[in-house]
Amino acid sequence: NAGVMQNPRHLVRRRGQEARLRCSPMKGHSHVYWYRQLPEEGLKFMVYLQKENIIDESGMPKERFSAEFPKEGPSILRIQQVVRGDSAAYFCASSPPAREETQYFGPGTRLLVL
Amino acid sequence: TQLLEQSPQFLSIQEGENLTVYCNSSSVFSSLQWYRQEPGEGPVLLVTVVTGGEVKKLKRLTFQFGDARKDSSLHITAAQPGDTGLYLCAESIHGSSNTGKLIFGQGTTLQVKP
Repeated sequence: NAGVMQNPRHLVRRRGQEARLRCSPMKGHSHVYWYRQLPEEGLKFMVYLQKENIIDESGMPKERFSAEFPKEGPSILRIQQVVRGDSAAYFCASSPPAREETQYFGPGTRLLVL
Repeated sequence: TQLLEQSPQFLSIQEGENLTVYCNSSSVFSSLQWYRQEPGEGPVLLVTVVTGGEVKKLKRLTFQFGDARKDSSLHITAAQPGDTGLYLCAESIHGSSNTGKLIFGQGTTLQVKP
């Protein structure tokens, strides 16, 4: 049973470009969470999604960031017009239904904005 | 706002020594998770504790949940270089929208020297 998969593992963008981060949850998991880990900071919650629904986006910046989890395909975290402060490791986690506290993390995408 | 404090922040020990790291909360945990994260990788779930006073063992790792469910400890016996990493505690937050987002502590960075 494959774990949570994220791609790309590393992403380099110039200021003003768009970044798209993908996450495929573990098989059988219908809940997806995105977290961000800034240098020298802890993991911070961004958004929680179920298929085709955003459940909680309280940790997502109000501008430039969006997330989706379509009926088919991976979850996407999209950052428009990236700035240097967006450089961080972005982690996706998934959990089985009714077990939100049991989250399994992917290897992360390291975003570097030049 | 829930606040998780982990101590110590850094720990460097010799192979074979024992150690304990702590996680404390400003309020009662609903459930607590311990993760280990290695450089360049995502956090790996070690254990979930739910019941006050609960003790769980995972090989040389012993996890304890305080009776009042406001603190937890992780004890490692006879540490090995492979135990090196960032140890994170996290609490699952259940709000009115039943979100299961995790709130993480800042972590304890453990280095075990051969």
